Amino acid sequence: DAGITQSPRYKITETGRQVTLMCHQTWSHSYMFWYRQDLGHGLRLIYYSAAADITDKGEVPDGYVVSRSKTENFPLTLESATRSQTSVYFCASSEGPGQGGTEAFFGQGTRLTVV
Amino acid sequence: QKEVEQNSGPLSVPEGAIASLNCTYSDRGSQSFFWYRQYSGKSPELIMSIYSNGDKEDGRFTAQLNKASQYVSLLIRDSQPSDSATYLCAVKSAAGSGGYNKLIFGAGTRLAVHP
Repeated sequence: DAGITQSPRYKITETGRQVTLMCHQTWSHSYMFWYRQDLGHGLRLIYYSAAADITDKGEVPDGYVVSRSKTENFPLTLESATRSQTSVYFCASSEGPGQGGTEAFFGQGTRLTVV
Repeated sequence: QKEVEQNSGPLSVPEGAIASLNCTYSDRGSQSFFWYRQYSGKSPELIMSIYSNGDKEDGRFTAQLNKASQYVSLLIRDSQPSDSATYLCAVKSAAGSGGYNKLIFGAGTRLAVHP
């Protein structure tokens, strides 16, 4: 299916465990983003990537790791999950940095609960 | 100071009225501005983009940009109950530490349109 998909949709994990959230897009967009959404904070940027093998920190990167070995995939790893990382995580993608191509399209979200 | 600021609301308007949503941003170098709508439990979806000072109209929606005042707004004419959602302002910010642009969101304004 064309578009951007996230997996899993729902995840419960224990404190201290490593967990990876997957994001896959079929548009060959160069930019990909990871956000978390918590009540009262809107969408906060965790990490983003301008192309394969190019990543940069966003507003709240601590405790997260990303990689982008292929254009279409952008996994987000919580190295040692904490309760404060309980959130809804959204992945998004957009075309290059040009003015007309910067609209971002979102995946369905992953609801992560850390117990 | 947050990079993108919005009044969290809720903004309550009667059906048929004009809803006015506002957003300010801190980075004077920002060039691209977006409004997203997010229904409860769903992903954000793009409704408007604007790149130049002035107004841009699309159906019942009008986006307004004033770069000198670092201000973006969204007007919704003839508001309908189906417009009840959270509206997120997003700004393509200047290059981050790695030299690439990032997309930053405000916390969102909740709009309630009552019959």
